[in-house]
Order: sequence, then C-alpha cells, then structure tokens
Amino acid sequence: NAGVTQTPKFQVLKTGQSMTLQCAQDMNHEYMSWYRQDPGMGLRLIHYSVGAGITDQGEVPNGYNVSRSTTEDFPLRLLSAAPSQTSVYFCASSYLGETQYFGPGTRLLVL
Amino acid sequence: AQSVTQLGSHVSVSEGALVLLRCNYSSSVPPYLFWYVQYPNQGLQLLLKYTSAATLVKGINGFEAEFKKSETSFHLTKPSAHMSDAAEYFCAVTPSGFQKLVFGTGTRLLVSP
Repeated sequence: NAGVTQTPKFQVLKTGQSMTLQCAQDMNHEYMSWYRQDPGMGLRLIHYSVGAGITDQGEVPNGYNVSRSTTEDFPLRLLSAAPSQTSVYFCASSYLGETQYFGPGTRLLVL
Repeated sequence: AQSVTQLGSHVSVSEGALVLLRCNYSSSVPPYLFWYVQYPNQGLQLLLKYTSAATLVKGINGFEAEFKKSETSFHLTKPSAHMSDAAEYFCAVTPSGFQKLVFGTGTRLLVSP
C-alpha cells in the first residue's frame, strides 16, 4: 500500500492563478479530508467527503473547491489563488469511524 | 463546539527527562481525543487516542496520556525523553467518531543532550 499520496510536494503560484492539489489513497477508505496548516494555528479542516459523490465544507472552505468522483481521489482546487492561501496542505483518509491517516503534505506559496 | 487548548508553543527538556505536554479540551458531549506527532517536513502520525474506554491510554514510542474529565485534560507524557522525540505534537478532539478533527495549535518539543 502506498497509503495517502499527495502531489505536488511544493508549488509556487502567482496571485490569481489556479491549480489543483492532488490526493489519492489506495486503502479503499470512505472518508477523505483536506486540512491546511499555518504557524500558530494548528490544522484546520477545509473540506471533507464521506464517499464518492458526497462532499461538505469544513471550518475554512472559502476559496477552495473539491469533488469526489472516485473513492481513491479527492482533489482540492484553488480557482484564484491569494497570498492568504500560502500554507501547507494535508490530505487525510480513513474508514468511517476509524483513525485518519495523513499524507506527507503539499507546501504552497502564493506570491 | 469542540476545541482544544495546548499550553506552551515550545517545551524544552533534556534527554532522559520527563516529557509533559498539556492539552485541555472543551466539549459539550463526551469527546474522542487524539495526540498526533509531526516530524520535520512530514505528515501527521497518530500517537494515541482516547475513545471512552480506559482513561489511561498508551501509545507508540513510550508515550501515554490520561483522560481526566474533572480537569477536562488529556496531557501527554513520556518518562524519559529521547533525542528522536523532538517534533511538533498536536492534540485534537472530535465529538463522535474519528472524523472532522479539531486541532490545537501544537507544541514543539525540543530535546537537548
């Protein structure tokens, strides 16, 4: 098992550009989620999904879109990047009601 | 709403000394509580979890935590610090199940020789 994988590892964007952060898991987990990590603020939930075709907002969803067309993949889209979205992004997955496993993270810098 | 407070953004100990990382929670319902560890430039790894069974929870790498409802605390301890314990530690809470984690702000543990 590769576990939870995230690509890219690092990305630099200019303000207004769009991009998609990829997250995939090969454990057949129903639940997937995206967090952002900022200094002094811990991790905050952006969006989550309890299965293919089902997504919902977390604590800080503004500026981000998600979709879940397959069990394995849960991409996070930034439609128009802003400097405030400079952060480290983590994807996590789990069976429903079980412990979450985190990916290695994507470090995003928006200039 | 559930929340956790981690006291001390940085904790410094000597190798071999007791490690104590503090976490207090706020929850209107019996919570599930977690400690995660993050090594530099890596993702988060689960250390241990409390799910309303035993109040003293043992985790990996010699860490343990005790759930104290009267104090709304879930402090993380390790009897003897090792250099490899240097990392950032996060306490997290969820009202039920294991989803929609709410994290504390983290405590960076520094271990000196």
